[in-house]
Amino acid sequence: ILNVEQSPQSLHVQEGDSTNFTCSFPSSNFYALHWYRWETAKSPEALFVMTLNGDEKKKGRISATLNTKEGYSYLYIKGSQPEDSATYLCAFYNQGGKLIFGQGTELSVKP
Amino acid sequence: EPEVTQTPSHQVTQMGQEVILRCVPISNHLYFYWYRQILGQKVEFLVSFYNNEISEKSEIFDDQFSVERPDGSNFTLKIRSTKLEDSAMYFCASTWEADTQYFGPGTRLTVL
Repeated sequence: ILNVEQSPQSLHVQEGDSTNFTCSFPSSNFYALHWYRWETAKSPEALFVMTLNGDEKKKGRISATLNTKEGYSYLYIKGSQPEDSATYLCAFYNQGGKLIFGQGTELSVKP
Repeated sequence: EPEVTQTPSHQVTQMGQEVILRCVPISNHLYFYWYRQILGQKVEFLVSFYNNEISEKSEIFDDQFSVERPDGSNFTLKIRSTKLEDSAMYFCASTWEADTQYFGPGTRLTVL
């Protein structure tokens, strides 16, 4: 059974703090790793699709790294803002077409 | 910017009733998916659909579930006889190819 784990489950930080969280996934049959940002009552928003070992992607203050050999990805947020508060989901994609999600990390940024 | 839409946003139904959840994927997308999230649990894959047929389905997607693309724009999920444990947030997603999946805002299904 393919399992994707995220940690921590929740994170509370102050505005301006930098933060990071982890996604671990099976290292075999890897095709891609997706990161989504999900605000309550909105659609999950795609952040990154990462495919190559050693990949680093950046979007504004958010960046992500990928290690397919050991099966983990880190998501970093630099200088967190209250509008970054959301649940961050990672999902493993193994060429079968379906995404297998982690349980998400709920980030709360206090002003 | 094109987006995936879903209706209704919230559906309340009695156990044993049929429900149809509707999705309008992004217009040039070819692959379509349904996922669900039971409160407090992970988002789970239900089914993928391509070229007018199911390409993959999970163990959850039993004979009570069906999907259809009736008119080239809508993509529906039907649950024939709802159970209490079907209460969840149901998400539709679409993509052009094996790439970023674009999600709708979800339909919250409550089975009483």
